[in-house]
Amino acid sequence: SQQGEEDPQALSIQEGENATMNCSYKTSINNLQWYRQNSGRGLVHLILIRSNEREKHSGRLRVTLDTSKKSSSLLITASRAADTASYFCALPGTGGSEKLVFGKGMKLTVNP
Amino acid sequence: GAVVSQHPSWVICKSGTSVKIECRSLDFQATTMFWYRQFPKQSLMLMATSNEGSKATYEQGVEKDKFLINHASLTLSTLTVTSAHPEDSSFYICSALRGNQPQHFGDGTRLSIL
Repeated sequence: SQQGEEDPQALSIQEGENATMNCSYKTSINNLQWYRQNSGRGLVHLILIRSNEREKHSGRLRVTLDTSKKSSSLLITASRAADTASYFCALPGTGGSEKLVFGKGMKLTVNP
Repeated sequence: GAVVSQHPSWVICKSGTSVKIECRSLDFQATTMFWYRQFPKQSLMLMATSNEGSKATYEQGVEKDKFLINHASLTLSTLTVTSAHPEDSSFYICSALRGNQPQHFGDGTRLSIL
């Protein structure tokens, strides 16, 4: 199974600024998901984007998917201190299974 | 509110003991649950897929005799770390599939073996 790779690995911004993180992968996928993990907690699903979609929005979140470049981006607009967390992209496991393979994650710190 | 409950959230025990972690789907039936392990500041690594009424499917490199998984009902899967040692200390997280929705995760269990 392939693992997505987030970039940057860490980002520190001020409240109100936008945060952008990217996920690159190597082989074709049917969909890609983004999750958030607050420190010491489980994961919270943010957005699933399918291979035939280019962009999806959910509140202050915008996710894009470029299958030709094999990359996805997650944009958080007007960030808040509560957005401080680790963000992971997740790719489907091999054979179309329901398994997920998580990237290494990106630590976002939003300073008040 | 939370749809997957994981218990305990934190456990400390002596080396050599066995520790059981529970993962419950609160208001839905989950035929499939997943168990992950996460080291500090690292990604989640899938350990096994737990299927109700059948044996768990373990990922390569995961010792099935070390990490016993039982999915005895449609709302409960358990992970037992047998004869735990300090190297088993980690953050263990479960998730459950709810229909065709994305995986719902528990809040994790921090296991510390002294």
